[in-house]
Amino acid sequence: DTAVSQTPKYLVTQMGNDKSIKCEQNLGHDTMYWYKQDSKKFLKIMFSYNNKELIINETVPNRFSPKSPDKAHLNLHINSLELGDSAVYFCASSPWGGEVTEAFFGQGTRLTVV
Amino acid sequence: AQTVTQSQPEMSVQEAETVTLSCTYDTSESDYYLFWYKQPPSRQMILVIRQEAYKQQNATENRFSVNFQKAAKSFSLKISDSQLGDAAMYFCARFSNTGNQFYFGTGTSLTVIP
Repeated sequence: DTAVSQTPKYLVTQMGNDKSIKCEQNLGHDTMYWYKQDSKKFLKIMFSYNNKELIINETVPNRFSPKSPDKAHLNLHINSLELGDSAVYFCASSPWGGEVTEAFFGQGTRLTVV
Repeated sequence: AQTVTQSQPEMSVQEAETVTLSCTYDTSESDYYLFWYKQPPSRQMILVIRQEAYKQQNATENRFSVNFQKAAKSFSLKISDSQLGDAAMYFCARFSNTGNQFYFGTGTSLTVIP
């Protein structure tokens, strides 16, 4: 059973298109995240949701819009894709409060904008 | 500042030898969690080891151990008896209780020489 699953694993698209990445976790965690990993492997937080509510929204262009229909899902929609959006996007989840075990990561989505 | 610093972009170790990866962090919090994650070429983020800041005893997981120096805000990872499968990017991370997010270092690329 996959704990955190992202789809698609690879995404190649043209500039100006709109695309979505889906994420689902079956761990019962309250908190979900989107991270962007650039070409230098740096991991940067984009968004964090707790029980479907946005709690962290880092400096991310408005073209990126997260949506959490329920606490097990956190999708990322990107409008008007640009070359600089090319990166690996990771979804992750963790418990909220109490003892923090770890962040569980999806396998990542490699987005290539051409 | 909530930075996590890994000062070694690249490290190499001979198979069966021991290597230590460095990590320092900045925080004003007294209670937090520290992690080392491994990212092999498959790009899956895998938890290697975690440490609760309130625990003085250094965490160990088989061949992996940490040297946690809270006053110095230092959290190094020691890999003993290095194996070829240990070759990967290693990320140090800190979980912030106040922000409920994980802050990652820039990573250390570890090469294991047969």
